[in-house]
Amino acid sequence: AQSVSQHNHHVILSEAASLELGCNYSYGGTVNLFWYVQYPGQHLQLLLKYFSGDPLVKGIKGFEAEFIKSKFSFNLRKPSVQWSDTAEYFCAVNANAGKSTFGDGTTLTVKP
Amino acid sequence: SAVISQKPSRDICQRGTSLTIQCQVDSQVTMMFWYRQQPGQSLTLIATANQGSEATYESGFVIDKFPISRPNLTFSTLTVSNMSPEDSSIYLCSVGLADTREQFFGPGTRLTVL
Repeated sequence: AQSVSQHNHHVILSEAASLELGCNYSYGGTVNLFWYVQYPGQHLQLLLKYFSGDPLVKGIKGFEAEFIKSKFSFNLRKPSVQWSDTAEYFCAVNANAGKSTFGDGTTLTVKP
Repeated sequence: SAVISQKPSRDICQRGTSLTIQCQVDSQVTMMFWYRQQPGQSLTLIATANQGSEATYESGFVIDKFPISRPNLTFSTLTVSNMSPEDSSIYLCSVGLADTREQFFGPGTRLTVL
């Protein structure tokens, strides 16, 4: 069975600080990896995805993530966060389109 | 891509009653799913809605509590039966596109059970 672990439950940063959110997954085969964001009161939005190819993927709003197969990791990064990045971030994995397993989520609070 | 709408967007219900949530997709999709997001928690897959056959439920979820219909490739319903306050959650419809391997989520239905 698939499982996803997000190490940080709540991260608090000041504006312009760099961000890295950890995500590790457990699955024996080829997986598709995703990061989603949920802004307060809004629904889930896709930030970025990895299926194959270049392990460094770039998403919307300046976010990027790196897939490290040997570490079963897919960490999310942003060089300089903004107050508007305050949200809940979810890492997810699936082996086919749709039946995804989500991590517990990381709440990011950015102080202005 | 796929655009998903859900009705109702929110509801407040009394204990012991049932609520049916509708999910409409703007294109025909093979894979449709129902998720639950309890307050302060992550998303949990309830079931896969299969067109023309019974839904496939994940561990911990049963058809009597969460009956699902999927009459065609663009529509599905999820019913939350005999509700209790523990059923207060956001229920999300989701579709998967096999060709792009992407997954799209509806806006969710926020359910509060008193």
